[in-house]
Order: sequence, then C-alpha cells, then structure tokens
Amino acid sequence: EPEVTQTPSHQVTQMGQEVILRCVPISNHLYFYWYRQILGQKVEFLVSFYNNEISEKSEIFDDQFSVERPDGSNFTLKIRSTKLEDSAMYFCASKRTSGRAEQFFGPGTRLTVL
Amino acid sequence: ELKVEQNPLFLSMQEGKNYTIYCNYSTTSDRLYWYRQDPGKSLESLFVLLSNGAVKQEGRLMASLDTKARLSTLHITAAVHDLSATYFCAVDIGDNNDMRFGAGTRLTVKP
Repeated sequence: EPEVTQTPSHQVTQMGQEVILRCVPISNHLYFYWYRQILGQKVEFLVSFYNNEISEKSEIFDDQFSVERPDGSNFTLKIRSTKLEDSAMYFCASKRTSGRAEQFFGPGTRLTVL
Repeated sequence: ELKVEQNPLFLSMQEGKNYTIYCNYSTTSDRLYWYRQDPGKSLESLFVLLSNGAVKQEGRLMASLDTKARLSTLHITAAVHDLSATYFCAVDIGDNNDMRFGAGTRLTVKP
C-alpha cells in the first residue's frame, strides 16, 4: 500500500542552523501539507501546497519557513535559522484531490534544536 | 478563528467500561476525522466522517457526526488496554482542506 515517507526520522541541530525536512508524498497525490506537533501538544497546521505554490499558511509559518517541491517526488520544508521553540515533530501529509479526500500522514521527523 | 475543542483532555478508565469523547468545532464543515496517536508515533486514521448523521464503527470504537450541532463523538465500548493512546479529532476546512486539530484526548485504560 502506498504511503508517505519522511526523512530523516530524527534531526538534531544547533540553534541558528538551517534544516531541511524531506517528504515523499504518495505518487499520484496533488495536495501537500506540513503540520507540527510540539511534544505533548496538539497537531498544528503549517502550510498547504498545490500546483507548485503555497495555497494556505498559518501564522506559525513565518519568513523562517519555506516549502518546495524540487522535483516530481520530494516535498521539503526548510527552516532557515532554527530556534529552540522549533523543536517538535513535523508531519507531512498528502491527498489526491481536493474536497472529500483523506489526507495521509507520514511517520514524522522529530526535530531537536539545541 | 476556528476552534476545535475536545473533551475530556485526559481520560482514565477501567477495562470493560464505556465512555464518550466529544469534539466540538466552531465553523461550518461536514468533514471530520478521528486519529489515534501512540507515543512518539504518527497519526493513524480511524474514521472519516463526511456527512451529517454519519456513523462509523470499527471494533470497540464508534464515531458519529452532527454537523448542525457541530459535534462529533467517539464512543468507546468495553474498553481494553490496547486502546490506550491519544485520540485527536480534526476538522477539514476551506478549499484547500487544511485540517485543524483538537487538543487530543489522552486515554489510559487500566486493567
């Protein structure tokens, strides 16, 4: 069964460093999402992406964040200069169509900023 | 601002007992999802509810959606230890179907 994959599973970085989190959505999916979950808290929407552009972003998704689909398979989240409070689990999700289609979540990348 | 409120946030119950988790949301939506999350793991899709009055059951879990009341429930019947996890409801909004999650209900089932 196709699934969303994410790499790395765990990333440790120093404050101020740039990180790129990678996701490979399900191959025939067209809508892509990033969510964040700070330890012990709820899942928060960051950004949605369709047709090579951002469709929607939350207030969390400030200028430090960017997303890209550099090729036909990867979907990346870049954090330009990490802060301690960026430490969280980051989930990628994808769905095939808009409307009543389900989002499928990847296993997540745990980002630890020291 | 859209609010998705779950209650209770923490639930400790004995095996064999029944209980209901509630999810209220503040916007018009007829797409609501329930997920299970085990510690350190990703989100496992449990139920997809796509219309008013939708009811779905899987094993000891049953979910329902009342779009008029903007309320979904997740009912647990005869709980077993394996159901211990955090359960999230999420509402699908907007043209791009961004999801907004509730705070989660941490369920602990004790023998």
